[in-house]
Amino acid sequence: GEDVEQSLFLSVREGDSSVINCTYTDSSSTYLYWYKQEPGAGLQLLTYIFSNMDMKQDQRLTVLLNKKDKHLSLRIADTQTGDSAIYFCAESRIEDSSYKLIFGSGTRLLVRP
Amino acid sequence: GAVVSQHPSWVICKSGTSVKIECRSLDFQATTMFWYRQFPKQSLMLMATSNEGSKATYEQGVEKDKFLINHASLTLSTLTVTSAHPEDSSFYICSAPRLQGVSTDTQYFGPGTRLTVL
Repeated sequence: GEDVEQSLFLSVREGDSSVINCTYTDSSSTYLYWYKQEPGAGLQLLTYIFSNMDMKQDQRLTVLLNKKDKHLSLRIADTQTGDSAIYFCAESRIEDSSYKLIFGSGTRLLVRP
Repeated sequence: GAVVSQHPSWVICKSGTSVKIECRSLDFQATTMFWYRQFPKQSLMLMATSNEGSKATYEQGVEKDKFLINHASLTLSTLTVTSAHPEDSSFYICSAPRLQGVSTDTQYFGPGTRLTVL
């Protein structure tokens, strides 16, 4: 995850909005993803955005993409305690004719009641 | 929706034994699957790409003889940790793309297998 960077920790109050940020390095990435991981579990795809889009909204989730700055963010509206988890951003890459996902280090979101 | 399963969910073994982890795509076929390793509080590290009908592609620094990958069918890939040692203890996660097109796939992840080597 060294090429994709995220802040390590975010704490918000229940009902507030959460914004998780991510910077990536490969400008040729076609898709960028947000995954959620709960303790001891695998990854759940939350949403993704195509690189020619600036924004994508899906219910409480809003993804913003600034391709110029290679900056991706995930906004969770009306954050609930069940949203507490680790959130990973990932960029897709083609290397040696292989499709790969490169993950960030993950942001641990803690939602306080 | 697409589901990827892993078996076992967790395994404890003695140092020196080999452990096999299975990854199955339950309602779709996957000619490619990916194996990741995750250390506590760290990100996922891609270990290898499993290819049905051909050899796996390993990432730099991953020992091929240590981590044997076999893509036996279009719905099954196995990762065998040979002669496991305590430093191999980790959370192993597989994923499979739903569609086989490049860059347009949605990766579905298995629930992970926690390996503890004593």
